[in-house]
Amino acid sequence: DAGVTQSPTHLIKTRGQHVTLRCSPISGHKSVSWYQQVLGQGPQFIFQYYEKEERGRGNFPDRFSARQFPNYSSELNVNALLLGDSALYLCASSFVGGRPRTYEQYFGPGTRLTVT
Amino acid sequence: AQTVTQSQPEMSVQEAETVTLSCTYDTSESNYYLFWYKQPPSRQMILVIRQEAYKQQNATENRFSVNFQKAAKSFSLKISDSQLGDTAMYFCAFMEFSSGSARQLTFGSGTQLTVLP
Repeated sequence: DAGVTQSPTHLIKTRGQHVTLRCSPISGHKSVSWYQQVLGQGPQFIFQYYEKEERGRGNFPDRFSARQFPNYSSELNVNALLLGDSALYLCASSFVGGRPRTYEQYFGPGTRLTVT
Repeated sequence: AQTVTQSQPEMSVQEAETVTLSCTYDTSESNYYLFWYKQPPSRQMILVIRQEAYKQQNATENRFSVNFQKAAKSFSLKISDSQLGDTAMYFCAFMEFSSGSARQLTFGSGTQLTVLP
């Protein structure tokens, strides 16, 4: 089975531009979460979506937005890019449910965003 | 808010030896999970092991085991028979699961483990 996939792998943008990052979850997983990982730090939670609804949002400005599609894939959008947005953006999917319930999140390879 | 602390930025171990990575966390919640993830240079975050807070028995996955001390809020990872492929950044992560909450992971700052030949 395919794991979590993300596109593109790398991206270079200029300050002020916007960017769209894409994520496809593992088949059967209905929840997608986004994380930002700045070099040398642990990932920081941005958003979680489940069944196309936002279920959680981290401490990020409104320039960050996301959505989930009927096929459970997801997009992360960032407007008015700043130099500080340069980071690895990780998408994780999880299967919500089952008995006993499991909450493991499985990560994609990430998108490396560089803002110049 | 939950916090996760990894006090060892870097560690090294000889191949075939055993190493323990430390992690402490702070929470007022009673229902939560703890995880260890590894991130090799390829950047792929890989789940190593998980522990449910309500379980007293420490989790084990092959060469990886944890020492979960709930009262002390400590969650260390032991790697036995270390292999060169274990070289990676290791992150401790916390997830609380009270009703209606987002299942978000809170990560520590990581420990870079190098296995020496």
